[in-house]
Amino acid sequence: DTAVSQTPKYLVTQMGNDKSIKCEQNLGHDTMYWYKQDSKKFLKIMFSYNNKELIINETVPNRFSPKSPDKAHLNLHINSLELGDSAVYFCASSQGTANSPLHFGNGTRLTVT
Amino acid sequence: DQQVKQNSPSLSVQEGRISILNCDYTNSMFDYFLWYKKYPAEGPTFLISISSIKDKNEDGRFTVFLNKSAKHLSLHIVPSQPGDSAVYFCATLHSGTYKYIFGTGTRLKVLA
Repeated sequence: DTAVSQTPKYLVTQMGNDKSIKCEQNLGHDTMYWYKQDSKKFLKIMFSYNNKELIINETVPNRFSPKSPDKAHLNLHINSLELGDSAVYFCASSQGTANSPLHFGNGTRLTVT
Repeated sequence: DQQVKQNSPSLSVQEGRISILNCDYTNSMFDYFLWYKKYPAEGPTFLISISSIKDKNEDGRFTVFLNKSAKHLSLHIVPSQPGDSAVYFCATLHSGTYKYIFGTGTRLKVLA
């Protein structure tokens, strides 16, 4: 019974394609996130949704579009993939209250060729 | 512009000894601090946290120390075990925001 699950675990695709990564959490959390871990292993926040509303958008190219159909799901759609999009993408969730930790999924390794 | 820094990319420690991982931050508005542990091919796992009203929090073998005046955070693991070998990330949160900011990680290797 995984708390934060994301699919697929691996994604290999060509430049110019459109792809989606799905994320679901069963923790009852109100807030969900997408983080990107690049080749330098730096975990950078991309987006955050609280109760299906976008609350953080960290100057990510608009080829990246998050979608939250309900507060348990936050999917990431990427259009016109570029080589520089290759990274590991982590979904996370939190209660959204003061001093509540993030809980992460196991990541999706995206490779753009 | 890195607001959270872990200046040691790696650390090796003998089993049974103390591991000390360090983290520095720049923004005095951060008021919640966390440590995460990450194994290969897995997501970061929450380890321990501390709020800015405290200077120490302990959980079993793990203790986090916060020095607000120095804007410095450290994680002590004692005694270190081979299973502690992982990458450790510190993270901060400015309450009133939802933005958790992570350091670049320190790879800890505990030698048997």
